[in-house]
Amino acid sequence: EVQLVESGGGLVQPGGSLRLSCAASGFTFSIFWMSWVRQAPGKGLEWVANIKQDGSEKYYVDSKGRFTISRDNAKNSLYLQMNSLRAEDTAVYYCARLMAFPNYYMDVWGKGTTVTVSS
Amino acid sequence: QSVLTQPPSASGTPGQRVTISCSGSSSNIGSNTVNWYQQFPGTAPKLLMFSNNQRPSGVPDRFSGSKSGTSASLAISGLQSEDEADYYCAAWDDSLNGPVFGGGTKLTVL
Repeated sequence: EVQLVESGGGLVQPGGSLRLSCAASGFTFSIFWMSWVRQAPGKGLEWVANIKQDGSEKYYVDSKGRFTISRDNAKNSLYLQMNSLRAEDTAVYYCARLMAFPNYYMDVWGKGTTVTVSS
Repeated sequence: QSVLTQPPSASGTPGQRVTISCSGSSSNIGSNTVNWYQQFPGTAPKLLMFSNNQRPSGVPDRFSGSKSGTSASLAISGLQSEDEADYYCAAWDDSLNGPVFGGGTKLTVL
């Protein structure tokens, strides 16, 4: 079964850091682009970052350099390092498999991990 | 505010046909295909439609999608109570190298 399982969320103070992880199984992780998407409470979906299969290309929505996406293909894992966290980063963070070329869409999603930034 | 524009709500009675619109610009819908996601409360989004009008395996053919210029729409025919959910359109944005989403449409089955 194709599956993505996020972990690492939790309560963090403003200015703090968190590292989210996403474990992939049931498919060949290394041949797919991957993405992080977040959803603030009661709000819509917002793309956060993408990473190419080999990690050589990374794109961000614009988190002013506070977020870093990475992957470890040997461990079938995707990561999101989040620094200098703000209240507005509070959201459920989803990892998703990104189908690319010629058309782009996210066909597999994890259940999400919740990040709460509050003092 | 979201890059793509959707109506915040839509409704219909069982059996009716409902459409949800999605409007964008030349850098997203105008130059890339549109996808739709369905989300039930407290759960992860699920891919409902990709490449404008392609249904993933398991999605009923009551759901259909179309695109014209910088706009797209999702149609649901033979509306059923289990279709009550939030629906999001999305398209790749060439200026971001990432997807942009609509704000979501909450579908209520009356």
